[in-house]
Amino acid sequence: DIQMTQSPSTLSASVGDRVTITCRASQSISRWLAWYQQKPGTAPKLLIYEASSLHNGVPSRFSGSGSGTEFTLTISSLQPDDFATYYCQQYNSYSTFGQGTKLEIK
Amino acid sequence: QVQLQESGPGLVKPPETLSLTCTVSGYSISSGYYWGWIRQPPGKGLEWIGSIYHSGSTYYNPSLKSRVTISVDTSKNQFSLKLNFVTAADTAVYYCASVAYCSSTSCYYSDYWGQGTLVTVSS
Repeated sequence: DIQMTQSPSTLSASVGDRVTITCRASQSISRWLAWYQQKPGTAPKLLIYEASSLHNGVPSRFSGSGSGTEFTLTISSLQPDDFATYYCQQYNSYSTFGQGTKLEIK
Repeated sequence: QVQLQESGPGLVKPPETLSLTCTVSGYSISSGYYWGWIRQPPGKGLEWIGSIYHSGSTYYNPSLKSRVTISVDTSKNQFSLKLNFVTAADTAVYYCASVAYCSSTSCYYSDYWGQGTLVTVSS
């Protein structure tokens, strides 16, 4: 099965910062990758699908890129509402998630 | 607006069967979406359990396939999860969600989620 590895596991940043989270697949998944945001006690929210397509209603400060085995989620200017845990999900073969990246306030 | 709501026992004894139902509102379960279950152990990451189409076609995580059954009841606009022979490792928040599409070898992303329900496995 395909393993998804996110880095870093924890990221400390400030409001206004540009941040990037990386997700690596154990084998090529083409562009079959989604990103989610999850806040404590709530369900994940879809941000991006097919590596770079922004889901309806998601702010344009979020962007995704990559193909094959390496992908990134970028937040261009962090807002207070963005501090959360982020997960990647591959759906090239069945479906597996990364272990998550917790974005904390510095 | 698609809404999903999980229901079922919050405590299950090992090695019994975990049973949950997801009720979909604001959208016909027989329309375009597939439907799925995802779980999250306390403090840990997400795990896809499986998905179903209104026709009854099912798609399961290979690591859970021997213990999982997902079914659909279109007359009630619901779909259900059964997980057999549970252990403490099955303790998790269980989410139901819409799934954009499933092929024979993969199930895509989820854009509508239920709020999740915590199921604890303990004697």
